[in-house]
Amino acid sequence: AQRVTQPEKLLSVFKGAPVELKCNYSYSGSPELFWYVQYSRQRLQLLLRHISRESIKGFTADLNKGETSFHLKKPFAQEEDSAMYYCALSGGGTYKYIFGTGTRLKVLA
Amino acid sequence: NAGVTQTPKFQVLKTGQSMTLQCAQDMNHEYMSWYRQDPGMGLRLIHYSVGAGITDQGEVPNGYNVSRSTTEDFPLRLLSAAPSQTSVYFCASTDSLSYEQYFGPGTRLTVT
Repeated sequence: AQRVTQPEKLLSVFKGAPVELKCNYSYSGSPELFWYVQYSRQRLQLLLRHISRESIKGFTADLNKGETSFHLKKPFAQEEDSAMYYCALSGGGTYKYIFGTGTRLKVLA
Repeated sequence: NAGVTQTPKFQVLKTGQSMTLQCAQDMNHEYMSWYRQDPGMGLRLIHYSVGAGITDQGEVPNGYNVSRSTTEDFPLRLLSAAPSQTSVYFCASTDSLSYEQYFGPGTRLTVT
């Protein structure tokens, strides 16, 4: 079955601490993997995608095909990182997305 | 560019009423989607469209209808509202080159 799993509903860290939001996926093929973010009272927006291998706002994510994971990491959390984070995949050749259930990140002062 | 727009922002319905949630995009994207967002359940795909005149069901289509007469517009119709349809609804369009989804601001619907 095609699925995206985000095991943590809520992750609280202190400002300056490292952050890792976990994402595992199940897909029979080569999906495109994404992280989307939703800040308070804003619409969802793309944070990063695995194919571009870029770092946005200090976040990175490495696709591990062996472990079927795409964890999101940041070495030093900032208060403005507090938001809802969704991991998602899109099947190769289609535009249908499957989203995880989301992880709410709270960065404490 | 306005991007993806949705109306209304908020709506309260009584059980059994019908209504249409509007969605429009000005990016000439062929692919558009409707999701509902519920606590603990993430975003679930309701219906999607790969172009004008072509629609298909997503994960949770029951109780909803869609049509796509133009590239720009993708309205979602609730046929007979039920309390289980209380949710936040997001429309999105997808860039066919980057696969990036662009979301609207959402419609918060309450069914009493």
